[in-house]
Amino acid sequence: KAGVTQTPRYLIKTRGQQVTLSCSPISGHRSVSWYQQTPGQGLQFLFEYFSETQRNKGNFPGRFSGRQFSNSRSEMNVSTLELGDSALYLCASSLGKGGEETQYFGPGTRLLVL
Amino acid sequence: QKEVEQNSGPLSVPEGAIASLNCTYSDRGSQSFFWYRQYSGKSPELIMFIYSNGDKEDGRFTAQLNKASQYVSLLIRDSQPSDSATYLCAVGNTGGFKTIFGAGTRLFVKA
Repeated sequence: KAGVTQTPRYLIKTRGQQVTLSCSPISGHRSVSWYQQTPGQGLQFLFEYFSETQRNKGNFPGRFSGRQFSNSRSEMNVSTLELGDSALYLCASSLGKGGEETQYFGPGTRLLVL
Repeated sequence: QKEVEQNSGPLSVPEGAIASLNCTYSDRGSQSFFWYRQYSGKSPELIMFIYSNGDKEDGRFTAQLNKASQYVSLLIRDSQPSDSATYLCAVGNTGGFKTIFGAGTRLFVKA
């Protein structure tokens, strides 16, 4: 079974631009969670989607948004990029029972904002 | 107080020794507990999960959970240099539909 895939793997943007990241979960998984990982803050929860509905959201500004499609693929968007948005963005998929379940992580998208 | 706390380390142990990694959490409603390993430049991968109080063993790894003390630990027996990585403790709560990760403990196993 194919694992979680994320595209693109690397991205360089400038301040003020926007970016869209994509995540394809493991086949059969209906839950997708997004995390931001930085050296100083560790893994920070962004949001979780299940059946196209956002079930929970972390403490990030409204510039961070996401969505999930009917095939469970998910995208996250960051608008008006700031230097502090430079990070590794990870998505993880699971069957969909939320926090109780094991999550499987994708390889991540490394975003650099200049 | 952080929701999930870990000693950032680094924790250094000699090859063949037991490495002990600890984690505390603040939400008493937490029901699932995970240990992930993350090599530098890679994404986290699951080592073990534990839901009930007590010990759970899988090969060289043993997870221990004490819900009364809100404490989770991971023991790695016969540590190998390939175990050198950052270990992330994660706590899940059904009602919140989210998993909270600790900042991780860096482990170095010296050959």
